[in-house]
Amino acid sequence: DQQVKQNSPSLSVQEGRISILNCDYTNSMFDYFLWYKKYPAEGPTFLISISSIKDKNEDGRFTVFLNKSAKHLSLHIVPSQPGDSAVYFCAASAISNTGKLIFGQGTTLQVKP
Amino acid sequence: EAQVTQNPRYLITVTGKKLTVTCSQNMNHEYMSWYRQDPGLGLRQIYYSMNVEVTDKGDVPEGYKVSRKEKRNFPLILESPSPNQTSLYFCASSLNRGYYGYTFGSGTRLTVV
Repeated sequence: DQQVKQNSPSLSVQEGRISILNCDYTNSMFDYFLWYKKYPAEGPTFLISISSIKDKNEDGRFTVFLNKSAKHLSLHIVPSQPGDSAVYFCAASAISNTGKLIFGQGTTLQVKP
Repeated sequence: EAQVTQNPRYLITVTGKKLTVTCSQNMNHEYMSWYRQDPGLGLRQIYYSMNVEVTDKGDVPEGYKVSRKEKRNFPLILESPSPNQTSLYFCASSLNRGYYGYTFGSGTRLTVV
């Protein structure tokens, strides 16, 4: 049972435009959500996170939105740059599962010059 | 430099031959975790540890063992590897159960023939 789902395996956008990556979850106990970015031959790197008490968190070009009623979060990248081309994973954590971080399948973003 | 170090980076082995993938972190992190990445499945947690001598199963623990005798080290042991354990493995550590983001190692590509 996939508790965290990224239904779009890939996304292609033009440089300078907005990239929107989506993630859905099923477990209402999740209280913290994170986005990771992964380049080939490297480990994932932490990008941005959001607590369930918030509905938006912003860091430079990256903004994460959380809709708890819909169990949905999204990552917006504005403006997109070619260096943003990577695999993006969303992840979720619950306070009752200390140390357990559950990832989605990943979305490959390609930003075209 | 703060980092998570995994060894080896690449490993080809035969079915049934015991192997250990080492993981070490120099950030004094309490939480450590092992993940495997497979196409279409994203990152799945194998085992995690909240501190020395405290470990727990993740989502796919079958066929794996771990130990946490020292804070900095968290080796992954495959007692009798099988071809379905061919995967890309990542070790990760965190200061606070992933809330600040796990720091990942560069990965170990394991092939079991």
